[in-house]
Amino acid sequence: EAGVVQSPRYKIIEKKQPVAFWCNPISGHNTLYWYRQNLGQGPELLIRYENEEAVDDSQLPKDRFSAERLKGVDSTLKIQPAELGDSAVYLCASSLVGTDTDTQYFGPGTRLTVL
Amino acid sequence: SQKIEQNSEALNIQEGKTATLTCNYTNYSPAYLQWYRQDPGRGPVFLLLIRENEKEKRKERLKVTFDTTLKQSLFHITASQPADSATYLCALDPRGGGQGGKLIFGQGTELSVKP
Repeated sequence: EAGVVQSPRYKIIEKKQPVAFWCNPISGHNTLYWYRQNLGQGPELLIRYENEEAVDDSQLPKDRFSAERLKGVDSTLKIQPAELGDSAVYLCASSLVGTDTDTQYFGPGTRLTVL
Repeated sequence: SQKIEQNSEALNIQEGKTATLTCNYTNYSPAYLQWYRQDPGRGPVFLLLIRENEKEKRKERLKVTFDTTLKQSLFHITASQPADSATYLCALDPRGGGQGGKLIFGQGTELSVKP
């Protein structure tokens, strides 16, 4: 079974430029998460989708971040414009709705460097 | 305020010894707590889950305890091996009641097992 796929793996951009990350969750998983992980810290949730609906986006900086999940499968996270402080690893995870334990399956992440 | 904290310093142990990692939390009443392993450049991988009504859970060389009075979970790796070297993250459901849908992660503890 294929795991969570993310691309690109690495991205280096100048500040004020836009950037987008893509995620393909595990087949059949209809809950999808985007996390940001700073160096030496645990993942912090940015947004959670159940199917196409964003059910928790309270931690998403909406002035510059946006996300969408097309047809309840793939998802894209965008930053526009990027700031120096956005440098981090962006992780996508998925899980199966209907369980009560939130075991999440993570992709390898995208390491973003903003210069 | 709500916090989840793990050993902030890296843990260095000799091969064959037991590694013990700590996860403390305040102002949460989680229905369960999870432990994940994260290798450099990769996303976290689920290891174990323990529910609030369970005192201890084992899986091969791994053991997790959960003390809801102390608000603490301990994660043990017995007969440790250099391949166990990684960062270990604890995570809990912040709303309790096993509602699902959200995890809060600790900052992780880096474990290094020397041959």
